[in-house]
Amino acid sequence: AQKVTQAQTEISVVEKEDVTLDCVYETRDTTYYLFWYKQPPSGELVFLIRRNSFDEQNEISGRYSWNFQKSTSSFNFTITASQVVDSAVYFCALRMIYNQGGKLIFGQGTELSVKP
Amino acid sequence: KAGVTQTPRYLIKTRGQQVTLSCSPISGHRSVSWYQQTPGQGLQFLFEYFSETQRNKGNFPGRFSGRQFSNSRSEMNVSTLELGDSALYLCASSLEGTEPEKLFFGSGTQLSVL
Repeated sequence: AQKVTQAQTEISVVEKEDVTLDCVYETRDTTYYLFWYKQPPSGELVFLIRRNSFDEQNEISGRYSWNFQKSTSSFNFTITASQVVDSAVYFCALRMIYNQGGKLIFGQGTELSVKP
Repeated sequence: KAGVTQTPRYLIKTRGQQVTLSCSPISGHRSVSWYQQTPGQGLQFLFEYFSETQRNKGNFPGRFSGRQFSNSRSEMNVSTLELGDSALYLCASSLEGTEPEKLFFGSGTQLSVL
Protein backbone atom coordinates (compact mmCIF):
# COMPACT_ATOMS: atom_id res chain seq x y z
CA ALA A 1 0.00 0.00 0.00
CA GLN A 2 1.09 3.55 -0.58
CA LYS A 3 1.31 6.11 2.16
CA VAL A 4 2.55 9.66 2.72
CA THR A 5 3.57 10.87 6.16
CA GLN A 6 4.02 14.47 7.19
CA ALA A 7 5.05 14.16 10.80
CA GLN A 8 4.93 17.88 11.52
CA THR A 9 1.34 18.86 12.16
CA GLU A 10 2.04 22.51 12.89
CA ILE A 11 5.11 24.72 12.57
CA SER A 12 5.39 28.28 13.74
CA VAL A 13 8.27 30.53 12.70
CA VAL A 14 9.08 34.20 12.73
CA GLU A 15 9.33 36.04 9.45
CA LYS A 16 12.69 35.64 7.65
CA GLU A 17 13.45 32.34 9.30
CA ASP A 18 14.11 29.32 7.11
CA VAL A 19 11.75 26.39 7.56
CA THR A 20 11.76 22.82 6.29
CA LEU A 21 8.64 20.72 5.89
CA ASP A 22 9.24 17.01 5.99
CA CYS A 23 7.60 14.39 3.80
CA VAL A 24 8.22 10.64 3.90
CA TYR A 25 6.47 8.31 1.52
CA GLU A 26 5.97 4.57 1.19
CA THR A 27 5.49 2.62 -1.99
CA ARG A 28 6.75 -0.63 -3.42
CA ASP A 29 6.59 0.75 -6.91
CA THR A 30 9.71 2.07 -8.57
CA THR A 31 7.94 4.62 -10.72
CA TYR A 32 5.83 7.34 -9.21
CA TYR A 33 5.31 11.08 -8.92
CA LEU A 34 5.64 13.26 -5.85
CA PHE A 35 3.98 16.62 -5.36
CA TRP A 36 3.71 19.54 -3.01
CA TYR A 37 0.56 21.62 -2.78
CA LYS A 38 -0.22 24.72 -0.75
CA GLN A 39 -3.66 25.34 0.74
CA PRO A 40 -4.22 28.96 1.79
CA PRO A 41 -7.22 29.89 3.95
CA SER A 42 -9.37 30.33 0.83
CA GLY A 43 -9.38 26.53 0.49
CA GLU A 44 -8.15 25.73 -3.00
CA LEU A 45 -4.97 23.70 -3.27
CA VAL A 46 -2.24 25.35 -5.29
CA PHE A 47 0.28 23.20 -7.16
CA LEU A 48 3.90 23.91 -6.20
CA ILE A 49 6.02 21.17 -7.69
CA ARG A 50 6.02 17.71 -9.24
CA ARG A 51 8.92 15.27 -9.18
CA ASN A 52 9.09 11.88 -10.85
CA SER A 53 10.94 9.00 -9.27
CA PHE A 54 13.63 9.00 -11.96
CA ASP A 55 14.72 12.51 -11.21
CA GLU A 56 16.52 12.99 -7.91
CA GLN A 57 17.85 16.42 -8.73
CA ASN A 58 17.04 19.02 -6.15
CA GLU A 59 15.08 22.00 -7.36
CA ILE A 60 15.05 25.63 -6.39
CA SER A 61 12.38 28.12 -7.31
CA GLY A 62 12.90 31.50 -5.75
CA ARG A 63 12.66 31.08 -1.98
CA TYR A 64 11.42 27.49 -2.34
CA SER A 65 13.61 24.44 -2.66
CA TRP A 66 12.94 20.73 -2.64
CA ASN A 67 15.19 17.87 -1.61
CA PHE A 68 14.25 14.47 -3.02
CA GLN A 69 16.11 11.48 -1.61
CA LYS A 70 14.97 8.15 -2.91
CA SER A 71 17.26 6.26 -0.50
CA THR A 72 15.31 7.61 2.47
CA SER A 73 11.96 7.95 0.67
CA SER A 74 11.82 11.61 1.52
CA PHE A 75 10.78 14.70 -0.38
CA ASN A 76 11.37 17.68 1.87
CA PHE A 77 10.41 21.26 1.16
CA THR A 78 12.35 24.28 2.41
CA ILE A 79 11.20 27.88 2.44
CA THR A 80 14.06 30.33 2.78
CA ALA A 81 13.47 33.69 4.42
CA SER A 82 9.84 32.91 5.18
CA GLN A 83 7.17 35.57 4.79
CA VAL A 84 3.76 36.04 6.36
CA VAL A 85 2.17 35.18 2.99
CA ASP A 86 3.68 31.71 3.26
CA SER A 87 1.27 30.91 6.08
CA ALA A 88 -0.86 28.03 4.82
CA VAL A 89 -1.27 24.28 5.05
CA TYR A 90 1.20 22.40 2.89
CA PHE A 91 0.51 18.93 1.54
CA CYS A 92 2.85 16.36 0.13
CA ALA A 93 1.29 13.83 -2.25
CA LEU A 94 2.15 10.67 -4.15
CA ARG A 95 0.80 9.30 -7.40
CA MET A 96 1.58 6.01 -9.04
CA ILE A 97 2.59 6.32 -12.69
CA TYR A 98 0.10 3.63 -13.67
CA ASN A 99 -2.73 5.69 -12.19
CA GLN A 100 -3.92 8.05 -14.81
CA GLY A 101 -5.31 11.38 -13.96
CA GLY A 102 -6.08 12.74 -10.56
CA LYS A 103 -5.70 9.98 -8.01
CA LEU A 104 -3.26 11.39 -5.48
CA ILE A 105 -2.42 10.07 -2.04
CA PHE A 106 -1.98 13.00 0.29
CA GLY A 107 -0.18 13.36 3.57
CA GLN A 108 -2.01 14.86 6.53
CA GLY A 109 -0.58 18.29 5.87
CA THR A 110 1.65 20.67 7.80
CA GLU A 111 0.15 23.95 8.93
CA LEU A 112 2.79 26.65 8.68
CA SER A 113 2.32 29.88 10.57
CA VAL A 114 4.73 32.70 9.83
CA LYS A 115 4.53 35.51 12.33
CA PRO A 116 5.72 39.05 11.64
CA LYS B 1 -9.04 31.84 -18.08
CA ALA B 2 -11.53 31.00 -15.35
CA GLY B 3 -10.42 28.55 -12.69
CA VAL B 4 -12.26 25.54 -11.32
CA THR B 5 -15.66 26.61 -10.04
CA GLN B 6 -17.52 24.75 -7.35
CA THR B 7 -21.06 25.44 -6.25
CA PRO B 8 -22.43 25.96 -3.75
CA ARG B 9 -19.68 27.24 -1.47
CA TYR B 10 -21.50 26.27 1.70
CA LEU B 11 -24.25 23.77 2.34
CA ILE B 12 -26.12 22.68 5.44
CA LYS B 13 -28.11 19.47 5.40
CA THR B 14 -29.63 17.12 7.93
CA ARG B 15 -29.00 13.43 8.38
CA GLY B 16 -30.78 11.25 5.87
CA GLN B 17 -31.01 13.90 3.20
CA GLN B 18 -29.14 13.79 -0.05
CA VAL B 19 -26.96 16.44 -1.63
CA THR B 20 -25.57 17.27 -5.06
CA LEU B 21 -22.39 19.29 -5.51
CA SER B 22 -21.32 20.81 -8.79
CA CYS B 23 -17.93 21.39 -10.37
CA SER B 24 -17.06 23.25 -13.55
CA PRO B 25 -13.51 22.50 -14.68
CA ILE B 26 -11.15 24.84 -16.44
CA SER B 27 -12.10 25.19 -20.08
CA GLY B 28 -10.52 22.40 -22.10
CA HIS B 29 -9.89 20.13 -19.12
CA ARG B 30 -11.56 16.78 -19.47
CA SER B 31 -10.44 15.11 -16.25
CA VAL B 32 -12.29 15.95 -13.05
CA SER B 33 -11.39 14.48 -9.66
CA TRP B 34 -13.17 14.78 -6.34
CA TYR B 35 -11.63 14.76 -2.89
CA GLN B 36 -13.06 14.82 0.61
CA GLN B 37 -11.14 16.79 3.24
CA THR B 38 -11.79 16.33 6.96
CA PRO B 39 -9.67 17.21 10.00
CA GLY B 40 -9.43 13.57 11.00
CA GLN B 41 -8.89 11.78 7.71
CA GLY B 42 -7.25 14.56 5.71
CA LEU B 43 -7.60 14.60 1.95
CA GLN B 44 -9.08 11.45 0.51
CA PHE B 45 -9.68 10.64 -3.12
CA LEU B 46 -13.30 9.97 -4.01
CA PHE B 47 -13.34 9.39 -7.75
CA GLU B 48 -12.21 10.73 -11.09
CA TYR B 49 -14.04 11.18 -14.35
CA PHE B 50 -12.61 11.52 -17.80
CA SER B 51 -14.73 11.98 -20.92
CA GLU B 52 -17.90 11.10 -19.00
CA THR B 53 -16.46 7.81 -17.70
CA GLN B 54 -15.35 7.03 -14.18
CA ARG B 55 -11.65 6.23 -14.45
CA ASN B 56 -10.62 5.85 -10.82
CA LYS B 57 -12.48 5.28 -7.61
CA GLY B 58 -11.48 5.62 -3.98
CA ASN B 59 -12.66 3.64 -0.98
CA PHE B 60 -15.95 5.27 -0.23
CA PRO B 61 -19.36 3.65 0.21
CA GLY B 62 -21.87 3.52 -2.61
CA ARG B 63 -23.72 6.48 -1.12
CA PHE B 64 -21.11 8.60 -2.84
CA SER B 65 -21.56 8.79 -6.57
CA GLY B 66 -20.69 11.10 -9.38
CA ARG B 67 -21.09 11.78 -13.03
CA GLN B 68 -19.61 13.90 -15.75
CA PHE B 69 -21.43 15.62 -18.57
CA SER B 70 -20.37 16.06 -22.17
CA ASN B 71 -19.14 19.58 -21.40
CA SER B 72 -16.85 18.07 -18.70
CA ARG B 73 -18.83 19.58 -15.85
CA SER B 74 -19.16 17.13 -13.01
CA GLU B 75 -21.52 16.53 -10.14
CA MET B 76 -21.16 14.40 -7.09
CA ASN B 77 -24.04 13.11 -5.06
CA VAL B 78 -24.18 11.87 -1.51
CA SER B 79 -27.32 10.04 -0.49
CA THR B 80 -28.57 9.29 3.01
CA LEU B 81 -26.23 11.79 4.61
CA GLU B 82 -24.46 10.90 7.84
CA LEU B 83 -22.86 13.23 10.37
CA GLY B 84 -19.45 11.94 9.28
CA ASP B 85 -20.02 13.25 5.77
CA SER B 86 -19.44 16.79 7.04
CA ALA B 87 -16.35 17.89 5.14
CA LEU B 88 -14.85 20.17 2.56
CA TYR B 89 -15.37 18.60 -0.86
CA LEU B 90 -12.77 19.65 -3.37
CA CYS B 91 -12.91 19.25 -7.09
CA ALA B 92 -9.87 19.34 -9.34
CA SER B 93 -9.43 19.34 -13.08
CA SER B 94 -6.46 18.53 -15.28
CA LEU B 95 -5.50 18.70 -18.92
CA GLU B 96 -4.68 15.37 -20.50
CA GLY B 97 -1.69 15.11 -22.76
CA THR B 98 0.45 17.89 -21.39
CA GLU B 99 0.77 17.82 -17.62
CA PRO B 100 -1.97 15.42 -16.59
CA GLU B 101 -0.61 15.22 -13.09
CA LYS B 102 -0.97 18.93 -12.43
CA LEU B 103 -4.30 19.29 -10.75
CA PHE B 104 -6.08 22.62 -10.54
CA PHE B 105 -8.36 22.76 -7.53
CA GLY B 106 -11.50 24.70 -6.80
CA SER B 107 -12.17 26.38 -3.46
CA GLY B 108 -14.47 23.56 -2.42
CA THR B 109 -17.94 23.09 -1.04
CA GLN B 110 -18.15 23.05 2.74
CA LEU B 111 -20.86 20.56 3.67
CA SER B 112 -22.24 20.49 7.19
CA VAL B 113 -24.54 17.64 8.16
CA LEU B 114 -26.63 18.27 11.28
